Amino acid sequence: ETGVTQTPRHLVMGMTNKKSLKCEQHLGHNAMYWYKQSAKKPLELMFVYSLEERVENNSVPSRFSPECPNSSHLFLHLHTLQPEDSALYLCASSQEGIPGGPPDTQYFGPGTRLTVL
Amino acid sequence: AQSVSQHNHHVILSEAASLELGCNYSYGGTVNLFWYVQYPGQHLQLLLKYFSGDPLVKGIKGFEAEFIKSKFSFNLRKPSVQWSDTAEYFCAVGRIKAAGNKLTFGGGTRVLVKP
Repeated sequence: ETGVTQTPRHLVMGMTNKKSLKCEQHLGHNAMYWYKQSAKKPLELMFVYSLEERVENNSVPSRFSPECPNSSHLFLHLHTLQPEDSALYLCASSQEGIPGGPPDTQYFGPGTRLTVL
Repeated sequence: AQSVSQHNHHVILSEAASLELGCNYSYGGTVNLFWYVQYPGQHLQLLLKYFSGDPLVKGIKGFEAEFIKSKFSFNLRKPSVQWSDTAEYFCAVGRIKAAGNKLTFGGGTRVLVKP
């Protein structure tokens, strides 16, 4: 048990569907992240939220929409996805220190395996 | 742009063999360095990390890594592997910035240990 949970664990959706991925962290951290893990590609950072504010968006297409209502929950809203969006979507959390301080350990959830038909 | 390179994509070895996985990064500033492991069907978890001090870092399950600043490297080692070390290993580099604990990951190395 990592302290970071993700639901659902598996999701199959059509290109016209709208779905949401949920992440919850029980570690008291103040930063949360969405990553995309595709076959044969490095882990890609999608979004970073620090203190519930988005601080980084790595040029992710607008069909992915994150939401962070509080420091423990993170959502990824999906709409009109493409088959190439099929991947494992990982959520992570960490405790961010003072601005400019060193990045600390990120704790990962088990991921949501997404298949877009 | 910062990049992290893991030169071996796949490694196959027998039990009791020694393992060394290479990791090089391109960022010239102060960094924190991590190795994560993903066992089959499990989540990514931290193996070890280097922030400062002794460049030889010991982690869980008998793994260690050495930070060589002049070579921008952080190679992972284990003297004698077990079948249970079969997993995918990821090197990650965190750079100091104003906000957001950003980590850049390498492409991963799949390790298969034959019993």
